[in-house]
Order: sequence, then C-alpha cells, then structure tokens
Amino acid sequence: QSVLTQPPSVSGAPGQRVTITCTGSNSNIGAAYDVSWYQQLPGTAPKLLIYGNSDRPSGVPDRFSGSKSGTSASLAITGLQAEDEADYYCQSYDSSLTALVFGGGTKLTVL
Amino acid sequence: QVQLHESGPGVVKPSGTLSLTCTVSGGSINNYYWTWIRQAPGKGLEWIGYVFYTGSTDYNPSLRRRVTMSVDTSKNQFSLKMTSMTTADTAVYYCARVHTGWLDFWGQGTLVTVSS
Repeated sequence: QSVLTQPPSVSGAPGQRVTITCTGSNSNIGAAYDVSWYQQLPGTAPKLLIYGNSDRPSGVPDRFSGSKSGTSASLAITGLQAEDEADYYCQSYDSSLTALVFGGGTKLTVL
Repeated sequence: QVQLHESGPGVVKPSGTLSLTCTVSGGSINNYYWTWIRQAPGKGLEWIGYVFYTGSTDYNPSLRRRVTMSVDTSKNQFSLKMTSMTTADTAVYYCARVHTGWLDFWGQGTLVTVSS
C-alpha cells in the first residue's frame, strides 16, 4: 500500500488529454512538500518529467504539465502520442515517515 | 550531462549481504544527496535511503536496520550495503541524484536476484 495513491491505469486515444491524480495527506503533499513526476518507459529507468509541482526539465515537451492543490497533485498529458505509453509515478516527502515516498504508479495506455 | 552507473553482483544468496556501487560521471558528487531506489518485478518504486557527499545518511525506516550507505568523493562513487537478504529483496536497484527533493538523474538500474 503506497503512501501516495494513484489510479492503476488510465487510457486515451491519440490526440486526447488525460490526467493522472496523486492523492496524499497532510504529512506529505498537504504539508507543502513538492511533488515530482516520473515517466518509466518499458524496460527503462524512470525519467524526471515534472519537478517542484509544475516545472519541466529541459527537453520535456510542454504537452506534460503538473499541478498541486491541497493534499493532491495531478499530471496532465495533452495531445497524446503512442510514445507516451508508459508507467507514471508521483513522488514527494512524508514528514511522519521521514521518508521520500512514491505513488504506486499509473499505467498509461494509448488506444 | 551527469551519468550514473550501478555495479555489483547480480545474484545474492538468502541471508547474504548485497553490496552495490554507483559511479557518477560528468559531474561532481560534491554538494548533492545521492539515493538508492528499488523496484521489485512488476511493482512500484521504493526509496531505500540517501547519503550526502559529506557522508551523512538517512534511510527508509522500514529498511533502516539492514541498510548502510557510504560515499567516496575521491572516486566519485557512493555505495549501498543491505544485509539479511531474502527473496523479497529481489528487485532492480537504481541509484539517482537528489536535487532539492526530486531525482534528476538516474542510473540504468541493476537487477539483483536473491537465490541459492
């Protein structure tokens, strides 16, 4: 059971918009700890997609955006492409556990 | 561009000790926290702990009794030792750089199988 809760799967057709939610609590996201998002393509290491809740590293397309409100965060992907099919993880810090924590991951399927 | 590369045995015996090293290239190990993350087959990501370039450490409370991390700034390397390994510790182990709370550079990962 992950500290941060994500839906196990989401799907969308090419060109559509999907969102992935990450729900935490008052000891992590709600305590103002930043949320990051990672994309893990099959058989590869995770790659930083969003940091500081909504910032993108250089090279990440602006089709990817992040937001945070209260005890939750969201990753939105617009203009879905086949190469976006991957697992997506949110990450934050938990002050009660004194641990860096991840969501359970969401598998994105492009139909 | 910073690159990280994990090295160590691919197989560890039950009750044995895992030793992994992460070599950092393209940048200095100084002034950053460095971390180990693992991923069991078909499962999500689990944080193991991190080590600062000064040698100070913090570990996942669930693994604290079994984990030791260290850093060798002269070699631009940091290491993980995990004792009392069981089949539940079979996973891909990743090293990564911590930048103000997020993990900006990752190694490719190394599969560790616990088996006799």
